[in-house]
Amino acid sequence: GDSVTQMEGPVTLSEEAFLTINCTYTATGYPSLFWYVQYPGEGLQLLLKATKADDKGSNKGFEATYRKETTSFHLEKGSVQVSDSAVYFCALGLPGTYKYIFGTGTRLKVLA
Amino acid sequence: DADVTQTPRNRITKTGKRIMLECSQTKGHDRMYWYRQDPGLGLRLIYYSFDVKDINKGEISDGYSVSRQAQAKFSLSLESAIPNQTALYFCATSDSSNIQYFGAGTRLSVL
Repeated sequence: GDSVTQMEGPVTLSEEAFLTINCTYTATGYPSLFWYVQYPGEGLQLLLKATKADDKGSNKGFEATYRKETTSFHLEKGSVQVSDSAVYFCALGLPGTYKYIFGTGTRLKVLA
Repeated sequence: DADVTQTPRNRITKTGKRIMLECSQTKGHDRMYWYRQDPGLGLRLIYYSFDVKDINKGEISDGYSVSRQAQAKFSLSLESAIPNQTALYFCATSDSSNIQYFGAGTRLSVL
């Protein structure tokens, strides 16, 4: 069945370090792919999205590329800040259904 | 004001009690969702509604019911709460571009 697998956390980095959070998916058809971020005490909010193969989503210095050949959508940022500390969720939108499947979330902690 | 508002933000209740979590939105979206979040399990879909007359079960609907009172309001009820329903509950809406908009969540504890 359809699923999303993302790397377990927590991930602890020093400020200005490079970030990668891995996400792979299994889906029939051509899903849309998303990264959502959850700051402490808040709901999830969209970070970036990609709707077709080879699309690159980007926002606030974060990037992810929709790789159909490897069924992946890894999140990257070249230089993290303390304010990036949050939980990051990879998600896919099932085509034609308006339903979504979320990964288990990866907690990122950035130290000054 | 938040676009998706959940009330209450926190609730403590006892086993066997009936409780209702409420969600209202000002985004004008037809599609609304209820999820629960548990550590290590991510978000799991409880119920979803694509308009006032269209309500569907998600992957974990047992023990829950919903009511779509209007386009803007979607309530989740626990008919007889049990401890393993202790979780963080989120309401969300989605637009035609498939982006979801979440409320701030309701933290529920069932003792």
